[in-house]
Amino acid sequence: EVQLVESGGGLVQPGGSLRLSCAASGFTFSDYYMDWVRQAPGKGLEWVGRSRNKANSYTTEYAASVKGRFTISRDDSKNSVYLQMNSLKTGDTAMYYCARSVTTGVHVFDIWGQGTMVTVSS
Amino acid sequence: DIQMTQSPSSLSASVGDRVTITCRASQGIRNDLGWYQQKPDKAPKRLIYAASSLQSGVPSRFSGSGSGTEFTLTISSLQPEDFATYYCLQHNSYPFTFGPGTKVDIK
Repeated sequence: EVQLVESGGGLVQPGGSLRLSCAASGFTFSDYYMDWVRQAPGKGLEWVGRSRNKANSYTTEYAASVKGRFTISRDDSKNSVYLQMNSLKTGDTAMYYCARSVTTGVHVFDIWGQGTMVTVSS
Repeated sequence: DIQMTQSPSSLSASVGDRVTITCRASQGIRNDLGWYQQKPDKAPKRLIYAASSLQSGVPSRFSGSGSGTEFTLTISSLQPEDFATYYCLQHNSYPFTFGPGTKVDIK
């Protein structure tokens, strides 16, 4: 079964750090790009960033709201992608989802994890 | 950045109704658009990709159309399990952007 499972969420103080993980199974992880999307409580979806695959040098893209604070990395040997979040703000409070993707075609944002909740509060 | 707008923001409909949701992009995005359904406390689920291709396993009452800047999601005969919030997503250029969502509830 194709599956993504996020973990690592929790309560953190403003200015703190947190690292989210997304474990993949059921597909050839190294072939795919991986994206992070978040959703603040009661709000819409916001794209956070992307990690391209090895064939594209593992390059990354970020939303302006997180650039310089968040870093996406991946370990293909562990079929996992990570979201390192630093200098967290109350506005980063959200459910964080990872999603499988490619540039175009049938597998663009086709599989999503169940999400992990991050709460930034003092 | 490409701005995505959706209309309506919410609608009330009855089982069996035909429902149409529109998504507009602030500039042309070819057909680099997907439609997603989200139910409360659940992850989004993809319905349509490449603007008009039906995701495997999704009922055929769902259809998508459009290209460039205007796109529609149509539910031909609304079913009880279709009451949810629907989002469009453009993946043509960074940053990727979602529409604000359309909440479909029971009339």
